[in-house]
Amino acid sequence: GDSVTQTEGQVTVSESKSLIINCTYSATSIGYPNLFWYVRYPGEGLQLLLKVITAGQKGSSRGFEATYNKEATSFHLQKASVQESDSAVYYCALSDKAGNTGKLIFGLGTTLQVQP
Amino acid sequence: AQTIHQWPVAEIKAVGSPLSLGCTIKGKSSPNLYWYWQATGGTLQQLFYSITVGQVESVVQLNLSASRPKDDQFILSTEKLLLSHSGFYLCAWSRTGGRDTQYFGPGTRLLVL
Repeated sequence: GDSVTQTEGQVTVSESKSLIINCTYSATSIGYPNLFWYVRYPGEGLQLLLKVITAGQKGSSRGFEATYNKEATSFHLQKASVQESDSAVYYCALSDKAGNTGKLIFGLGTTLQVQP
Repeated sequence: AQTIHQWPVAEIKAVGSPLSLGCTIKGKSSPNLYWYWQATGGTLQQLFYSITVGQVESVVQLNLSASRPKDDQFILSTEKLLLSHSGFYLCAWSRTGGRDTQYFGPGTRLLVL
């Protein structure tokens, strides 16, 4: 079945340092999945951070970037310089099959803690 | 702008008691609606989806049921809670089904004792 694997547990980064959260996926549909990064800030709901639907393309938002690499089946999240306000839980997800189920497959989530 | 509201924010319930969680979407007609669940330490799993009023499809069997009594309302319920029902419940909507972007509500945290 479809699956998403991302950097496990908590990642601690000092403010202004760079960040990478790894995400790899396995998709069983004939086509290519849509790929997403969602974020949940403390006390808030799950928000879409960025989305890429075409292999080889890069998505970006709020200084974060992720490139859809179909050869490596990866969608790593990167940021050149993190801020304390980036502290949150980040989820990589894919949407695979067409039809109405709209099923998103999520990774376990990665907690980012940015130290001042 | 579309808004999604979930209630209650949190619940503590006894094993064997009934449960009803709600979700309302404003500002979008005929949305596709979804229920997701996350156990502590687990990943988010889709439980149900609905493309129209009165029609709900189950994705994962967890002794829960869902209903869509109105275009903008999605209800998750059970008559008898289990300890394993504890976790975080999220409602989401999308404009269409398939691979369309889903937008999530703030969630309901449930603790079953």
